[in-house]
This record gives sequence, structure tokens and C-alpha cells, in this order.
Amino acid sequence: QLQLQESGSGLLKPSQTLSLICAVSGGSISSDGYSWSWIRQPPGKGLEWIGYFYHSGNTYYNPSLKTRVTISVDRSNNQFSLKLNSVTAADTAVYYCVRAISGWFDPWGQGSLVSVSS
Amino acid sequence: QSALTQPASVSGSPGQSITISCTGTSSDVGGYKYVSWYQQHPGKAPKLMICDVTERPSGVSNRFSGSKSGNTASLTISGLQAEDEADYYCSSFTSSSTYVFGTGTKVTVL
Repeated sequence: QLQLQESGSGLLKPSQTLSLICAVSGGSISSDGYSWSWIRQPPGKGLEWIGYFYHSGNTYYNPSLKTRVTISVDRSNNQFSLKLNSVTAADTAVYYCVRAISGWFDPWGQGSLVSVSS
Repeated sequence: QSALTQPASVSGSPGQSITISCTGTSSDVGGYKYVSWYQQHPGKAPKLMICDVTERPSGVSNRFSGSKSGNTASLTISGLQAEDEADYYCSSFTSSSTYVFGTGTKVTVL
């Protein structure tokens, strides 16, 4: 059974870089037909798609975050990562890593809370 | 890209049926079969309930069903139960090869 687990920085100051890793177990991150995505949810608010890394190597980002986001993959360790630079309080959220299959997201990681505060 | 539009809240009594709408454009909901729905209980990660507009993943109750007409997708919960009280989100693939989520709907079981 595929499982995803987020880890990384939990508390940041404004202007710092958010860095999260998603470890994938129970399946290969290099499997054809899948993409690997990050989604976030600010406290008390809705879901926001951040971007994804397609198995072919292409990456796609939310236009509103595109200038600050990088998603990359580490195939040797079966994990992928998220970097978001120049963070502000508005980036405070629970960050989920998720596998995407043909237009839907499943399974989801448990989520990692990242807080930005001076 | 703008979030898909969902009603903020929907309520119903146990045993009743409710429907949640999800309105987008021809560049997302109306243009693709890649509309999905997620259930989220407080403090938990979202759970996939419907994929490809109408398909129910293994293990999801058949009380949940999806449909689409034009630029609006819908999730119907029949035989409403207390455990269905949660937040629900729709999602769609877009013409830019990106994804967009709905604004979210809080379902209350009266």
C-alpha cells in the first residue's frame, strides 16, 4: 500500500525558504502514469494546489506561486521535495504531498504544518 | 486561475439526500472528465470520494455519486448519515495542465 510522509521545516521567519520532503513507501516514484504533487491548506481555509512533478520530468505550478516554487524529485531515495522561497505569513498552512493519477489525488500524506512568524 | 465555486454550506437531516455543486468554466470542469471530490474531517487529510466525474473508488460508499452538466459538477450524498458531516472539495484538471480546487462546502447533518 502506497504511503507518503512529509517532513521538514515547521517554523520559519518571513523571507526564509520553506523546504519539505515527501518520502514515498510501498511503491516507486518512477512508476509510469503518475505525478507527484503538493497541496496546501491555510488554517481554517480551503485547499490550494501548489504544483506537481510528472514522471516524464515535466513540472507544473500554480500560476500564483510559480515565481517562488520548485518541486524536484530524488529517485535514488524515492522522495520528492518542495521549496518555496520568500515566505510570508500568508504561506502558513498544512502542506500535503499527494500522488496524482489521471486527474485525481490519492493517497495523501498526513500533512505537515508550516508556520511563518517573525 | 480562479477557484471553482461551491456553496459554503449545505445541510440535511439523516436519511435525506443533498447535492453539492461545483461551478467552473469550459477551461476546467466543462472541458475535462477529470473532476474529483474529496471529503475532509476536522484535523484529517482529505479523502478521495469520486474521480473522473462519476467513478467511485474502491471502499467508498455507494451513497456517494457524482455527475456533471456543462461547467458544473455535482456530488450527491444519499441516505445522509452523521458520519457524512465534513468539508467537501471538488477539483478539476485545467487547460493549462494545472489543477484547481473548489472553495469548499461544509456539510451539516441536522
